[in-house]
Amino acid sequence: SYVLTQAPSVSVAPGKTATITCGGNNIGIKSVHWYQQKPGQAPVQVIHSTTDRPLGIPERISGSSSGNTATLTITRVEAGDEADYYCQVWDAVIAFGFFGGGTKLTVL
Amino acid sequence: QVQLVESGGGVVQPETSLTLSCVASGFTFALFSMHWVRQAPGKGLEWVAFISSNGNTDSCADSVRGRCTISRDNFRNTLFLQMNSLGSEDTAVYYCARHREGGSFDYWGQGTLVTFSS
Repeated sequence: SYVLTQAPSVSVAPGKTATITCGGNNIGIKSVHWYQQKPGQAPVQVIHSTTDRPLGIPERISGSSSGNTATLTITRVEAGDEADYYCQVWDAVIAFGFFGGGTKLTVL
Repeated sequence: QVQLVESGGGVVQPETSLTLSCVASGFTFALFSMHWVRQAPGKGLEWVAFISSNGNTDSCADSVRGRCTISRDNFRNTLFLQMNSLGSEDTAVYYCARHREGGSFDYWGQGTLVTFSS
């Protein structure tokens, strides 16, 4: 089993930068993916392969990873960014998926 | 456009089984591996099961192992999840999701709700 640890909540003022972290053993050498989920909706992929944005995801959203921490960064935060964010890793050797517990982003 | 539509949820009784379906459209279903992911009320996402594009490889999470069967029909563009011996811990919205190269889930359905009732 591979454990991914996220802080339950992060709060940020509009226009500021939100930093959401995902801790995991040597996560810096893994491919990390991030999802945004708004209430009552299905998750939406916002970052794949640690740093890549799917089409339609704004450049304000970026990903990085090093050592035991992966990071999702949202600059110039807007009210519409308020959501739950989940990190995820896929272990292709054992064909298992792992999610972090999720971080609720609140825009003040 | 890619669409995934789940069905088969509902109220389930103790120790019964349930089969969920996910119909795919807008892409060549037979070329993509697929997943089931669930979310209990007010909780986070939990990966449940995986199946490769040709169905030769599959896996279930430890939490459902022995009770979970994932399968697919590439002629009908449909993914299935059968769960046995259901309990309260299985109450959740169940999503199907498409596997993207690199291990991410690039498209998700809207989910189907399974509610356990004693």
